[in-house]
Amino acid sequence: NAGVTQTPKFRILKIGQSMTLQCTQDMNHNYMYWYRQDPGMGLKLIYYSVGAGITDKGEVPNGYNVSRSTTEDFPLRLELAAPSQTSVYFCASSYTGRGKLFFGSGTQLSVL
Amino acid sequence: TQLLEQSPQFLSIQEGENLTVYCNSSSVFSSLQWYRQEPGEGPVLLVTVVTGGEVKKLKRLTFQFGDARKDSSLHITAAQPGDTGLYLCAGAGVGNEKLTFGTGTRLTIIP
Repeated sequence: NAGVTQTPKFRILKIGQSMTLQCTQDMNHNYMYWYRQDPGMGLKLIYYSVGAGITDKGEVPNGYNVSRSTTEDFPLRLELAAPSQTSVYFCASSYTGRGKLFFGSGTQLSVL
Repeated sequence: TQLLEQSPQFLSIQEGENLTVYCNSSSVFSSLQWYRQEPGEGPVLLVTVVTGGEVKKLKRLTFQFGDARKDSSLHITAAQPGDTGLYLCAGAGVGNEKLTFGTGTRLTIIP
């Protein structure tokens, strides 16, 4: 069972570059989320979606954009990468808004 | 913004000892989840508690939700090296579709 799949696993960006983190899930979940995790810290919500075509900001949305054109996919776009965006990014999905979260294995991003 | 503070932030104990980690907030939560995260992986759900005063047991792990639904604790009996990891609590606010994650407790069990 694939669950939540994130790509790439690792990436190094230069300041000012852009990239898209890919996330796809095969559980037909309506809810999808993007979190960032700084070293030794908990998770902070960047953006979330309650269904295809619907997205909303989380706690730390600045510098990021998302789209949700299908139930399965929820890509995260970084525009003009900054060192403050160095972090581990996790995509997650759930059947309900307060339900069990299923996480991908993360993308480790460094901006130098 | 609802904040969840976990304590201790770091805990290192010998195999076989007991331990308790705490998750506290000034806000009321409709439910609270506990996750464990191992290095290089995403968090994995351990348990969800929804009723004030609720106690759930998962083998050697005991989870309790406070009567006022503002806090929770995780007690591990006879800790084993396999319990090593980052423990995260996450609360769902009343009328809120989003989970707020705690600051995490990094647990190391020394063989």
